Amino acid sequence: AQSVTQLDSQVPVFEEAPVELRCNYSSSVSVYLFWYVQYPNQGLQLLLKYLSGSTLVKGINGFEAEFNKSQTSFHLRKPSVHISDTAEYFCAVIMDTGRRALTFGSGTRLQVQP
Amino acid sequence: DAGVIQSPRHEVTEMGQEVTLRCKPISGHNSLFWYRQTMMRGLELLIYFNNNVPIDDSGMPEDRFSAKMPNASFSTLKIQPSEPRDSAVYFCASSSGTGLNEQFFGPGTRLTVL
Repeated sequence: AQSVTQLDSQVPVFEEAPVELRCNYSSSVSVYLFWYVQYPNQGLQLLLKYLSGSTLVKGINGFEAEFNKSQTSFHLRKPSVHISDTAEYFCAVIMDTGRRALTFGSGTRLQVQP
Repeated sequence: DAGVIQSPRHEVTEMGQEVTLRCKPISGHNSLFWYRQTMMRGLELLIYFNNNVPIDDSGMPEDRFSAKMPNASFSTLKIQPSEPRDSAVYFCASSSGTGLNEQFFGPGTRLTVL
């Protein structure tokens, strides 16, 4: 079985500071990796995904993530956050078994303070 | 495109009543997913369809839950009878192609069972 662990439930950070949201996964097969963002009272929106190729993936809103196979991690980073980045961030995987449903981590609440 | 449409946005009902949640996927998408979000369990897959056929319903909690997709533009999730522990936000998502494309999420239905 696969699982996704987001180590931090909340991350407070000041505006314009860098941030890293951590995600680790476990799986006996290859995985595809995703980061989604959920703004209050809204559905989820894809930030970025890793399917293959370059391990550094760039997404929307200035976010990027790096796939590290040896450490089974897919941490999300942004060099300078804005107040508008305040939201819940979910790491998710799809296993390379043909099953196409997302398995989500528990989420990290990013709170950007002025 | 209007995106994934869900109705109702909010539903309050009493224990024992039947509840029907509705979803209209993005036109042209061939996969549809139902997810549930709760504080205790986070985001979890209930069921997903490919080309209107249920592919994986392993996340459906019990026989009280049923889902249908009679055509490519409509799906329902029914709970009968409803229980307080069913209170959650239910999301519908759709995607196209191989299933590794972005899953587009609807705004969700917030269900409260009293």
